[in-house]
Amino acid sequence: AQTVTQSQPEMSVQEAETVTLSCTYDTSESDYYLFWYKQPPSRQMILVIRQEAYKQQNATENRFSVNFQKAAKSFSLKISDSQLGDAAMYFCAYRSARVRGKLQFGAGTQVVVTP
Amino acid sequence: SAVISQKPSRDICQRGTSLTIQCQVDSQVTMMFWYRQQPGQSLTLIATANQGSEATYESGFVIDKFPISRPNLTFSTLTVSNMSPEDSSIYLCSAGTSGYNEQFFGPGTRLTVL
Repeated sequence: AQTVTQSQPEMSVQEAETVTLSCTYDTSESDYYLFWYKQPPSRQMILVIRQEAYKQQNATENRFSVNFQKAAKSFSLKISDSQLGDAAMYFCAYRSARVRGKLQFGAGTQVVVTP
Repeated sequence: SAVISQKPSRDICQRGTSLTIQCQVDSQVTMMFWYRQQPGQSLTLIATANQGSEATYESGFVIDKFPISRPNLTFSTLTVSNMSPEDSSIYLCSAGTSGYNEQFFGPGTRLTVL
């Protein structure tokens, strides 16, 4: 079974600074997808960024980028130029390419943004 | 993308009663899912709601406790039966796009069982 580990319960960052959230996963599969979701206090889960395992290029979405290291089974998220609206719980998630839909989530990292 | 709504947004229920949560998607989707998020915890998949057939449950979840219906491609319900305080959680509905590369989530239903 796949497991997703987020070892940082909370990370604090100042506005305009950069923060990196770590995520590691355990799988024996070669084809899969990785995601970062954001959950603000409103509880709405918002997809931040997606990475296909077969792609070597790291995904980027505006101020959000990932460092995908397939051999190390590592998938970190970098938030650049942090804004107050980035404050939320961030979840790393894994999905097998074989099993449609089922997401395996990590425990989450709370991001605190200070002015 | 898909916009997902859930009703109710929150409820407080008595032990031993049941609550049905509704999930509506604004477009036809192939797959719908129900997740549970216990206080301060991550999300755990309860089941996949299948249109026209019985839901597929994950280990630790059973149909008698969490009956699910999906009468069409845009609507599903989750019932939490014979509730106990341990069922106090946020229940989230999710739907998959045609390529299953993205899942969109509803706003969740916050359930408190006294």
